[in-house]
Amino acid sequence: DAKTTQPTSMDCAEGRAANLPCNHSTISGNEYVYWYRQIHSQGPQYIIHGLKNNETNEMASLIITEDRKSSTLILPHATLRDTAVYYCIVRIKAAGNKLTFGGGTRVLVKP
Amino acid sequence: NAGVTQTPKFRILKIGQSMTLQCTQDMNHNYMYWYRQDPGMGLKLIYYSVGAGITDKGEVPNGYNVSRSTTEDFPLRLELAAPSQTSVYFCASSPPTGGDGTDTQYFGPGTRLTVL
Repeated sequence: DAKTTQPTSMDCAEGRAANLPCNHSTISGNEYVYWYRQIHSQGPQYIIHGLKNNETNEMASLIITEDRKSSTLILPHATLRDTAVYYCIVRIKAAGNKLTFGGGTRVLVKP
Repeated sequence: NAGVTQTPKFRILKIGQSMTLQCTQDMNHNYMYWYRQDPGMGLKLIYYSVGAGITDKGEVPNGYNVSRSTTEDFPLRLELAAPSQTSVYFCASSPPTGGDGTDTQYFGPGTRLTVL
């Protein structure tokens, strides 16, 4: 699975959009981009995933560049409850469906 | 649905003791996983299972054993606890991979284990 690079931490003002970047320059054609988050002391929670097209759900939007070498997770209106570590993961469809967690981005939403 | 449940929530072990961490899911998922998370780090895969009777090693399997006799349960066994096994353990499950990669993993609340 391709390696990802994320900023270690970032702050965001409550009510504003939070834009979380992720670089995955070695991504291969059949690898998807997944985002999970982990709120303090809880198990990770799935947010969104995509292959080529931009995706949106009730939690967030995912913007993937045309060359697929980077992506951005957008939390449209950050709340204090969005404070968490956000993990960008790229992976192929394979038996076992393993997730490889890197360091993630620690997001602090401030009032 | 309760989702993925784990017991116990907390446990303190002495070096050399053994214990079993329990994990149960009620979503009829084929795939189940055990991860560990050390303080300030990401999760690392210990073992996984693609179905009842089938298990395989992950990234950090040493010191652990698993079994999968039913679809619902996936216990993790520590035979001789060591301080290096102090960690938070998460169990997860997921359905088989769909054609569009819709194989979301659902995580339990975790078990916090301290070995002294």
